[in-house]
Amino acid sequence: EAQVTQNPRYLITVTGKKLTVTCSQNMNHEYMSWYRQDPGLGLRQIYYSMNVEVTDKGDVPEGYKVSRKEKRNFPLILESPSPNQTSLYFCASRELTGKTQYFGPGTRLTVL
Amino acid sequence: DQQVKQNSPSLSVQEGRISILNCDYTNSMFDYFLWYKKYPAEGPTFLISISSIKDKNEDGRFTVFLNKSAKHLSLHIVPSQPGDSAVYFCAASSTGNQFYFGTGTSLTVIP
Repeated sequence: EAQVTQNPRYLITVTGKKLTVTCSQNMNHEYMSWYRQDPGLGLRQIYYSMNVEVTDKGDVPEGYKVSRKEKRNFPLILESPSPNQTSLYFCASRELTGKTQYFGPGTRLTVL
Repeated sequence: DQQVKQNSPSLSVQEGRISILNCDYTNSMFDYFLWYKKYPAEGPTFLISISSIKDKNEDGRFTVFLNKSAKHLSLHIVPSQPGDSAVYFCAASSTGNQFYFGTGTSLTVIP
C-alpha cells in the first residue's frame, strides 16, 4: 500500500530535550516536506526536500533541522524543543513533477 | 502574514444541497491551487486542483472556480453528503515547491 508513515504519532517531552520525528514514504517520491498545523494558522511549511541531500527552508524553519540521506526518509529534528513548538506535524511527499502531495497521519508533539 | 485565507471557520449544509467553501489569496504569483480534505486524526488528502490558466475544474461532485482578478477561489460540492463532513484546506503555490495553506473550513453536512 502506498503510504507516508510517521513515528511517533504522539510525543510528550520537556524543553531542551532533543527529539527526532521520522517520516518514511514507499512511493519513490523525490519531493518530501514537513508542515505544522496550529489552530487559527492552518498548515505552515517548515522544510522541504527535492531530492537526496537537497533541502530548503519553508515558511517557518526556525528551531528545526532536517536531513535527506535516503530518498525514502526525511526526519525532522528538534535539537532544543521549546513550548512554542507544541503542534501537530505532518510529513508529505510527491513526485517531483507532480503537484499533489500525499500526507502522513500526523505527529502530535507536546513540549512542556 | 497569511497569504492564503479562509475566512469562514465553519459551514453547515443540509444533505443534498450545495456546499460552497471560499478561499482568498494575496500573492499574485501563485499559479496553482489545491483543495485538501482532512478528517480527524488523519493527514490531509488531495481533493481537486486548478492551474491559473483555467477558471474552472470539475471532478464528479466537486468543482473549483478560480477568479484571478479577485484573487479568489471557491470549492463547490454538489450534492453534499454526510461523508463530506471534514475540514477543507485550500493551498497555493508559485514555485511548485513551497506551498501556502489556508486556516481551514470545517464543513458539517446535516443528514
